[in-house]
Amino acid sequence: GQQVMQIPQYQHVQEGEDFTTYCNSSTTLSNIQWYKQRPGGHPVFLIQLVKSGEVKKQKRLTFQFGEAKKNSSLHITATQTTDVGTYFCAGPTSGTYKYIFGTGTRLKVLA
Amino acid sequence: DAGVIQSPRHEVTEMGQEVTLRCKPISGHDYLFWYRQTMMRGLELLIYFNNNVPIDDSGMPEDRFSAKMPNASFSTLKIQPSEPRDSAVYFCASSFSLAGASYEQYFGPGTRLTVT
Repeated sequence: GQQVMQIPQYQHVQEGEDFTTYCNSSTTLSNIQWYKQRPGGHPVFLIQLVKSGEVKKQKRLTFQFGEAKKNSSLHITATQTTDVGTYFCAGPTSGTYKYIFGTGTRLKVLA
Repeated sequence: DAGVIQSPRHEVTEMGQEVTLRCKPISGHDYLFWYRQTMMRGLELLIYFNNNVPIDDSGMPEDRFSAKMPNASFSTLKIQPSEPRDSAVYFCASSFSLAGASYEQYFGPGTRLTVT
């Protein structure tokens, strides 16, 4: 079945350092979504990418969808303590609304 | 809108007991999803509905699990009988679709289930 893997599993950074998480799907995706889950909270939608090679920015966050639409990345510039949490990517099974969530990357920011 | 509402927020029960989790999706959303989150298995989709009809229940682990959506504003996930390995956080999420395109899922706060 479709698998969505993320690396790294954990990342500790000093406040002000950059952070990147990578998402890889075993199948081509029609779109990819990114979510953030704070400790003890629920996943919150960040963004959706649809086009091959698409790049979108939200303040310090940059999202990219690969040319082959099988991978994606999230880059945070100059991390802050508010960035702490687990970041998930999610992609739909072909032709459905069934989203498979990635394994997640847990980010810890040290002040 | 109040967002997706789930109840109870916490549930502690003994093995063998029946557990019912409840969800009220955002008004106007036509998709409803039930997820389970554990450290070992991550975030797993159990079942999802479209316009109150179950579309894919392939993620439901066993016959002990069942889900219903009697109307557009209410859904339940039932576990009978419950087992310790069912301990997890259960999330309900809803979303809407337009012209075949899917949009973001709005998650509820979750129900933390502990089965002793």
